[in-house]
Amino acid sequence: DSGVTQTPKHLITATGQRVTLRCSPRSGDLSVYWYQQSLDQGLQFLIQYYNGEERAKGNILERFSAQQFPDLHSELNLSSLELGDSALYFCASSVVPTEKYEQYFGPGTRLTVT
Amino acid sequence: KNQVEQSPQSLIILEGKNCTLQCNYTVSPFSNLRWYKQDTGRGPVSLTIMTFSENTKSNGRYTATLDADTKQSSLHITASQLSDSASYICVVSGGEGDSNYQLIWGAGTKLIIKP
Repeated sequence: DSGVTQTPKHLITATGQRVTLRCSPRSGDLSVYWYQQSLDQGLQFLIQYYNGEERAKGNILERFSAQQFPDLHSELNLSSLELGDSALYFCASSVVPTEKYEQYFGPGTRLTVT
Repeated sequence: KNQVEQSPQSLIILEGKNCTLQCNYTVSPFSNLRWYKQDTGRGPVSLTIMTFSENTKSNGRYTATLDADTKQSSLHITASQLSDSASYICVVSGGEGDSNYQLIWGAGTKLIIKP
């Protein structure tokens, strides 16, 4: 158990809908990362937050947005969902956002868009 | 362009055998290189992390090597077990300073151990 929690574990929704994925980092970690992993694909970095502020952006679509709250939990919002958004979404956390520190991954949220 | 390439894409070996996975990168400036193990449907778990000055690092039956001159790394698995079946991902970090680093993820090698 990495100490990173993600909810829900599974989510099934229809095209055009909007969903929110939630992540709680490990105790003491200030930075949160979101990744998308489509079936049999590698991880794609979406976005990173540090202490409530956006730190880095990867291949995140405009239909997707995220935020990190004062209690350090983070939410990833996915809107106008398409079939291709079906994937595993992972959250990771680290103490601070530098390359020196390890990222710890949560168990993921499996999103299925029908 | 910063890239991480892994080979082979997939590998099947018999239980008890050894294997070596490769990672080549073009990330510059280089900071460190990590190997992760990802079981199907689970989050990646770190195996090793190596900085520029480290040539080899072990974690149980896993040994990673790094040649910063040729920008190559390998992950050697000794006496494979069925539980080693997973994807192994090479991740390289680089960039200028703490505020501008990137993590470049490889596509992974899918390893299957057969009894």
